[in-house]
Amino acid sequence: GAVVSQHPSWVICKSGTSVKIECRSLDFQATTMFWYRQFPKQSLMLMATSNEGSKATYEQGVEKDKFLINHASLTLSTLTVTSAHPEDSSFYICSARWDRAQETQYFGPGTRLLVL
Amino acid sequence: GQNIDQPTEMTATEGAIVQINCTYQTSGFNGLFWYQQHAGEAPTFLSYNVLDGLEEKGRFSSFLSRSKGYSYLLLKELQMKDSASYLCAGMDSNYQLIWGAGTKLIIKP
Repeated sequence: GAVVSQHPSWVICKSGTSVKIECRSLDFQATTMFWYRQFPKQSLMLMATSNEGSKATYEQGVEKDKFLINHASLTLSTLTVTSAHPEDSSFYICSARWDRAQETQYFGPGTRLLVL
Repeated sequence: GQNIDQPTEMTATEGAIVQINCTYQTSGFNGLFWYQQHAGEAPTFLSYNVLDGLEEKGRFSSFLSRSKGYSYLLLKELQMKDSASYLCAGMDSNYQLIWGAGTKLIIKP
């Protein structure tokens, strides 16, 4: 199956700093990438959908100025958590999709963010 | 509105069979997914149903009834490693996944 990687897998940072998370599709071209957030014992919450070369579409309640998403190429999307605060501590997961197989999303392994 | 309902938690015995039910309401329908998620890990794909009926894949089977907006995941010969959360997700007309809250499955020896 297709492989999606995320980097870093773990990050601990101080409050007020910015954190960048990378999501890469390793063996296919991802026309669409999704960013999810998951708090403990809760299900996945879609934050935004990004299409290569265009602005991301954010879900209601997600601050686009705080969670910057860039999908500059067909194999890379980045999520930057700006001025992170302890309440941003969560498990961030990306998934990627190829437009000719729109029913299939391939998930990255996730990035655990802890803001002190 | 769009909604996915599944039980919060289930308990079963090693070696037994368990069925996890899911009802869905989506705007349009492009399929029903089941994912397995172990604690601290990302979801892994288990099954995809877009037509009515039962899809069998080893110890796991998934069933779909589009007229009833209903699906179930059937796990046979349960093993301790099957202890995980099982996420039901419906895909709407925009190919967007609508996620359930997940069913935590506890396997007892």
